[in-house]
Formats: sequence, C-alpha cells, structure tokens
Amino acid sequence: EADIYQTPRYLVIGTGKKITLECSQTMGHDKMYWYQQDPGMELHLIHYSYGVNSTEKGDLSSESTVSRIRTEHFPLTLESARPSHTSQYLCASSGGTAAYEQYFGPGTRLTVT
Amino acid sequence: EDQVTQSPEALRLQEGESSSLNCSYTVSGLRGLFWYRQDPGKGPEFLFTLYSAGEEKEKERLKATLTKKESFLHITAPKPEDSATYLCAVGGGYSNYQLIWGAGTKLIIKP
Repeated sequence: EADIYQTPRYLVIGTGKKITLECSQTMGHDKMYWYQQDPGMELHLIHYSYGVNSTEKGDLSSESTVSRIRTEHFPLTLESARPSHTSQYLCASSGGTAAYEQYFGPGTRLTVT
Repeated sequence: EDQVTQSPEALRLQEGESSSLNCSYTVSGLRGLFWYRQDPGKGPEFLFTLYSAGEEKEKERLKATLTKKESFLHITAPKPEDSATYLCAVGGGYSNYQLIWGAGTKLIIKP
C-alpha cells in the first residue's frame, strides 16, 4: 500500500543528544519535504528535496540537516538537541502528474528536556 | 507577494448546522489550490485539489469551490467527527513545487 512512514512517533530526549527522525515513502514520489509545526500554529517548511542527492533549506531557519541518498528515504538529523527544538516534525512527499499535491506522514512529536 | 489567508480562525457549529470556510489567496500562476484536514497531533490529510475558477469537488459532507481570488469549503449538515483544523494551501508563483500555507480554520461541531 502506498504510504508515508515516520519513526519514532514520539521522542523525549535530553539536551545535547544527537537524534535522527526517519521518513520513508512508498508513494513512488520524487519530491520530499520536512515541516515543523508547533501546537495550533502554521506549518513551516524547513527542508525539501526534489530528488536523490538534492536537498535545500526551506523558509524557516533550522539547525537540522537532511540527506537524500535513496528516493524513498529522507531522514532529518539534529546534531545537538536543545529545548527550542521541541515541536512536531512532519514529513511529506509529492510527485507524478500532480506534483504540487503533498501527502503527509503521521508526524514525530519531539520533546527535548 | 504570494499569500494565503483563511477565515474565520475558529468556527463553532451545532451538529447539522451548515456553514462555509474561506480561503483567500494571491499567487502569480496558480498551480493548484489544496484543502487538507488535520486532527490534533496528526499529519494533514489531503482532501481536494482545485485547478481553475469554477471548479468544484465533493467528498461526503464537504464541497470545495474555487474563484480567481478565493476558495470556499462548504460543510453540509456537519457531524461531531468533522471537528478538525482545515488547512488551505496554494502552489504556484516562484516557489517551485512548494506550497504556500494558510494558518487554518479550527472547526468545532457540538452534538
């Protein structure tokens, strides 16, 4: 079944730890995105990729980094987590003839203590 | 400047009370207007794409319409399970494949 997967769904971690949020899709899409969203607030684009070995930063400045070594996999890494990184992180993908139509994963709720 | 404005910010309705949500947009070269539903703590769920003025799409109690300046999401005889935040986004302008998002309308349907 075509879907977008994010793990973990919830993560509580201490300050200074390195973390990687996983995102995989079986949609067959070439474009993938990471958004950050605080409760009740707007979506903010932090990274996007239009294909393998192609990554760009979004509108919202972020201390995270991403990689795109495989089409279906787009992990996000924080080298040193801080309490200000506490948020919901959403992964999305798009592609094909409806290239602007984005589909989202369930999200990772990150809490940094 | 490309932008999307949604109104109202929040809407409380009684079960069965029909209403509409508004999404006003300005973008050069519209490549699609998108409606999503988001439940608390979850990722947005895709609902509709509209491409040109006059286009309409329906799904159960929801109907989306599009003009050159705005889109409406009409909710007919809503049920409590329709309670969610509804997000509007547009594609186009100079943001290649990126969407410009509205802040959302939080819809609460009381039984």
